[in-house]
Amino acid sequence: GAVVSQHPSRVICKSGTSVKIECRSLDFQATTMFWYRQFPKQSLMLMATSNEGSKATYEQGVEKDKFLINHASLTLSTLTVTSAHPEDSSFYICSARDGPTGTIYFGEGSWLTVV
Amino acid sequence: DAKTTQPNSMESNEEEPVHLPCNHSTISGTDYIHWYRQLPSQGPEYVIHGLTSNVNNRMASLAIAEDRKSSTLILHRATLRDAAVYYCILKHAGGTSYGKLTFGQGTILTVHP
Repeated sequence: GAVVSQHPSRVICKSGTSVKIECRSLDFQATTMFWYRQFPKQSLMLMATSNEGSKATYEQGVEKDKFLINHASLTLSTLTVTSAHPEDSSFYICSARDGPTGTIYFGEGSWLTVV
Repeated sequence: DAKTTQPNSMESNEEEPVHLPCNHSTISGTDYIHWYRQLPSQGPEYVIHGLTSNVNNRMASLAIAEDRKSSTLILHRATLRDAAVYYCILKHAGGTSYGKLTFGQGTILTVHP
């Protein structure tokens, strides 16, 4: 079945550096992907909507210059956390909608730890 | 999107059926009822969705009340691998925001051996 894959699954970076997380739809093309963040013992919070070939749409309170989203192809969206700080440490999850079926698939998630 | 209400937690024994309730009294006519579950340290997994009629798939069944103001996710025989947080989410069909899901706190399901 359709699969959405994220890479890396875990990453540790130093404070002040940038880190990129990839989200790929493996079996289908996704014109729209979504990025969520989840802190421990909390629910998922939508950060932004990634649109292929155009600018991402960010949710209120999410800094677009800090969380750079690029959706250069129909199967790949990337989230770059710039100038990361320890408070950015979180579980980042992407999702994509399979157009023909309407089913929304999620990636496995990426743990980011900023030290 | 309309809001849903779920119990914070539920417990079950292995091999027994589990009925996870969800209230959505402000549901609109075009809202689909989606269920996802999230195992520890994993992304959410699609379980089932429906509009008006009850739905069955290999994972679960979805029973939708006649007035659509509530629904129940049924796991027919719980296994230890079903221990997860279950989210009931309403979503309009179509539209540019389709795919953008609003997660509540969900129900933490504990399955005892």
